[in-house]
Amino acid sequence: KNEVEQSPQNLTAQEGEFITINCSYSVGISALHWLQQHPGGGIVSLFMLSSGKKKHGRLIATINIQEKHSSLHITASHPRDSAVYICAVGGNQFYFGTGTSLTVIP
Amino acid sequence: DTEVTQTPKHLVMGMTNKKSLKCEQHMGHRAMYWYKQKAKKPPELMFVYSYEKLSINESVPSRFSPECPNSSLLNLHLHALQPEDSALYLCASSQDSAPRAPQHFGDGTRLSIL
Repeated sequence: KNEVEQSPQNLTAQEGEFITINCSYSVGISALHWLQQHPGGGIVSLFMLSSGKKKHGRLIATINIQEKHSSLHITASHPRDSAVYICAVGGNQFYFGTGTSLTVIP
Repeated sequence: DTEVTQTPKHLVMGMTNKKSLKCEQHMGHRAMYWYKQKAKKPPELMFVYSYEKLSINESVPSRFSPECPNSSLLNLHLHALQPEDSALYLCASSQDSAPRAPQHFGDGTRLSIL
């Protein structure tokens, strides 16, 4: 069983839709990270969370430490949001989720 | 543009070749990482350098040899690789090696072994 589970694995949305990606983890953590990886490789760090909620533009990330759960929301989705979104947690070591592949159709 | 620069972006090599991947950051970070990523899989940690010393080696075969010449540079020397080593190799850096610290990733080197 993975220490970090993401759902869904794949997601297709129409442009403008509100999108939610979920992350559950089973280890004690000091921080949770949401990462974005576009086709071709490079990984960009979107958020680092240890509690509550953070917002950056159309992206919102929340975390519930008691429930060991985090969500990444994208409002007014756009085709350029198409990417793989990876949840990673830092506890005794760094654990990656398996990623959610998002495709936003115009 | 990322703050972590990896070269080359693509590398094709035979199983008998020797090559090196390079990674550079000028953010003053003291921890640097090598990851291997296969298609549709999350990155797998290979090595961690903390303050220029190897602190984690995740049972990586000896055909991969890391080197940290100074706090800004990280190399990965490759020798006698196998076809299954074809993957995207990602370098990352962070302020320190604490798992809490956000990691900054490079764009990766896509390696193909013939």
